[in-house]
Amino acid sequence: QVTLEESGPTVVKPTQTVTLNCTISGFSLTTSGEGVGWIRQPPGKALEWLALIYWDDDKRFRPDLEGRLAITKDPSKDQILLTVTNADPADTGTYYCAHLQTVGWSSYFDYWGQGTPVTVSS
Amino acid sequence: IQMTQSPSSLSASVGDRVTITCRASQSISSYLNWYQQKPGKAAKLLIFGAINLQSGVPSRFSGSGSGTEFTLTISSLQPEDFATYYCQQSYNMWTFGQGTKVEVK
Repeated sequence: QVTLEESGPTVVKPTQTVTLNCTISGFSLTTSGEGVGWIRQPPGKALEWLALIYWDDDKRFRPDLEGRLAITKDPSKDQILLTVTNADPADTGTYYCAHLQTVGWSSYFDYWGQGTPVTVSS
Repeated sequence: IQMTQSPSSLSASVGDRVTITCRASQSISSYLNWYQQKPGKAAKLLIFGAINLQSGVPSRFSGSGSGTEFTLTISSLQPEDFATYYCQQSYNMWTFGQGTKVEVK
């Protein structure tokens, strides 16, 4: 059974760095084809894809945030970390990690964590 | 790639046929997915590859379209279907639409 669980600080101050953790089970990021992405949702707003990491350490980032985002994986701990630098109140929202399923050239997020809330406020 | 959904919200009754449209700013072939989200919950995959029903999703949900215009249809709205629906392209990285909220009429 595939599960993902996010964890991290609930409140951070502006300009600080936010580090969020996604712990996975039921699949491994050492397996060819696997990927995990991060998606966030500001309060009352739409979903926004942020970043993705593949089993081979290939990475993709949302273009307008690329300079502030980092994504890494620790397969030995089944963890994927997302780092957002220079936090701003606009980064407030619920952050989800999700499993990326790839079928040919098509891909979709088929399993999601429950989400972790982050508030950026002084 | 920008994804635009219409309408942004709609009011419907149980048993109604509901249609939501998603337009892409450029052709995305059939690389279009649909998700359902209820308040306080993570999104749930409904349709992938424009027309393919995810396992376990009721057959009253269907998807159509290719290129730049796509449709999600709920053939007979059920009480548990009141939620927000998002389209998402996977042609070039991943982008979500702004969402369509389906409310009780």
